Order: sequence, then structure tokens, then C-alpha cells
Amino acid sequence: DIQMTQSPSFLSASVGDRVTITCQASQDVNIYLNWYQQKPGKAPKLLIYDASKLETGVPSRVRGSGSGTDFTFTISSLQPEDIGTYYCQQYDNLPITFGQGTRLEIK
Amino acid sequence: VQLVQSGGEVKKPGASVKVSCKASGYTFTNYGISWVRQAPGQGLEWMGWISVYNGNIKYAQKFQGRITVTTDTSTNTAYMELRSLRFDDTAVYYCARDFGYHETPYYFDEWGQGTLVTVSS
Repeated sequence: DIQMTQSPSFLSASVGDRVTITCQASQDVNIYLNWYQQKPGKAPKLLIYDASKLETGVPSRVRGSGSGTDFTFTISSLQPEDIGTYYCQQYDNLPITFGQGTRLEIK
Repeated sequence: VQLVQSGGEVKKPGASVKVSCKASGYTFTNYGISWVRQAPGQGLEWMGWISVYNGNIKYAQKFQGRITVTTDTSTNTAYMELRSLRFDDTAVYYCARDFGYHETPYYFDEWGQGTLVTVSS
């Protein structure tokens, strides 16, 4: 199975800050990498697919980049509604696997 | 688009559970359905995928032999059955609309509300 490692596991930042989460795959997954946000008690929500494509309705302050084994998720200016846990997910090889999650809170 | 899942279940170890996921607001056969679970306080775990389009199925090896995913196109409903339940199967089970409709799962752009399955003696 492909292991997905996110960093950091926990992040506390202020409104307006630039926030970056990294996701490293244990082997090359090309661009087959998606990002989700999950709020407590809710289902995950798709934000980014194919490493850098913004899902419809997701604000443009959100950005994804990377290919191969190293990926980055960035929020350019943190807003209160961005709190939650973020997961990366690869679909290059089965089984589909997720990162362990990054919990983001507002300072 | 909506995916509405069946209600929570409490099962004993060794029993089976079948979770339903009724889809509306889109053409059911144009997408796949993936099943993802989340144990309490834990991350996301993919379990399996079915193409509603052609019936292709993929399971995570971990669940092979214990899981069956099906769809009923007459009612736009997907089902996930998990057998031989163990205590560590206690989790919220999600269905998700999968953009991978043909050969393999892809990304999950709509999700059900989740179904809590509790395995307890």
C-alpha cells in the first residue's frame, strides 16, 4: 500500500495567515492526489483533485501543487471557515489511501 | 445532488451490517460509488468502489472476503455489507459519489451524511 504522510499533524494560525500543508507519498503517484477538508461531525468535502485542480465552488485562496511524491496544499489568507482537518488522498494505486490528517485551528 | 444513508446500527461481534445510500439529483449510472469509513477520532479509510456504469468492483485487500458492495439502479441506491463484524469495525461509514465511473476510483465529490455502526457485545 502507498503510505501518505502529512505534515504537520496540527497547525494553529491567525486569520489572514498563509498556511501550508505537505503530503508525501511513499512512491510516485504522478498527479493522482486529492485534498479534502472535514469539519467535526461532518463528511469530508473535496477541495482539490488531480493535485492542483480546484473543485467548483472552492475559494481561490486555496491552492494545490506538486507531482510524484511531494505535494503541497496552501491557503493564501486563512479565514475562520477554514478550520477543520485536511486529508490528502492518492488514487494512483489501489487501495486508495489517505494521509493521517492535519488539524487546522485559528489562533 | 444528495446521498442519503441509512440510520445508525448496533451489532454484536460476528454479525453483519448492510448500509444503504440513496442517490438523487444526478444520473446514477454516470458515476461510481466508493465506501470510506472513519473510526472514532481516527482518519479516513477507503473500503471499496463500484462502477454503477458497468458493475466493476474494487475492494481494499483488508476487507476482501468480508465486504460486498452492490447497487440497485431501479432505486438509485448503493449498498455496502460488512460481515463477521469485530469491535474495531466500530466507525462512521460513508458512501461517496466517485468521479471514477468506469475502471477505477478517482475522487469523491459528494458524500453521504455517514452511518455510525457500533459493534458491541
